[in-house]
Amino acid sequence: AQSVSQHNHHVILSEAASLELGCNYSYGGTVNLFWYVQYPGQHLQLLLKYFSGDPLVKGIKGFEAEFIKSKFSFNLRKPSVQWSDTAEYFCAVITGGGNKLTFGTGTQLKVEL
Amino acid sequence: DTGVSQDPRHKITKRGQNVTFRCDPISEHNRLYWYRQTLGQGPEFLTYFQNEAQLEKSRLLSDRFSAERPKGSFSTLEIQRTEQGDSAMYLCASSDVQGNEKLFFGSGTQLSVL
Repeated sequence: AQSVSQHNHHVILSEAASLELGCNYSYGGTVNLFWYVQYPGQHLQLLLKYFSGDPLVKGIKGFEAEFIKSKFSFNLRKPSVQWSDTAEYFCAVITGGGNKLTFGTGTQLKVEL
Repeated sequence: DTGVSQDPRHKITKRGQNVTFRCDPISEHNRLYWYRQTLGQGPEFLTYFQNEAQLEKSRLLSDRFSAERPKGSFSTLEIQRTEQGDSAMYLCASSDVQGNEKLFFGSGTQLSVL
């Protein structure tokens, strides 16, 4: 069965620092990849997604992610984080043209002023 | 608010009791999903509907769990004979079927089984 690994469980950064959150998946076939975010007290919402084409995808709020097929990775990046980026970030995958998302365990990001 | 709504937000029950949760998806969405999330974990897929048809169920969904979407609109998730291990956040999400797997999540129902 497919799985998603997020190696950073807790990340603390100062404002303006650069961010990279790791995500690796285990599945050898076609994948659709997602990053979801959950701000404190809010529901999960989509940050960005990759289906095909340019492996560098841009999402909301200045986030981007790069799909590297050879590394089975889809890392999330942001050049300069803000305090308002404090949230939990989940990587997720849909495999083989299916319909269900498989989520990673999440990374709790705290941005300090 | 035209998002996904779930009711109740919190449910506390005693072990052995039955509970039922409701989810109202975004009105034009014909796909509806149920997920379960425990502390420190990502959401785990339970089941999904396309219109009124339940198309997939996870092995996590034991016989004590049943989900329905009778008219292809709202959905209910019932847990019979609750156990302490059922304590979790139960999330509902919906999407359209245009090949765009953007899920819109509700705020969830937090279940505590005492």
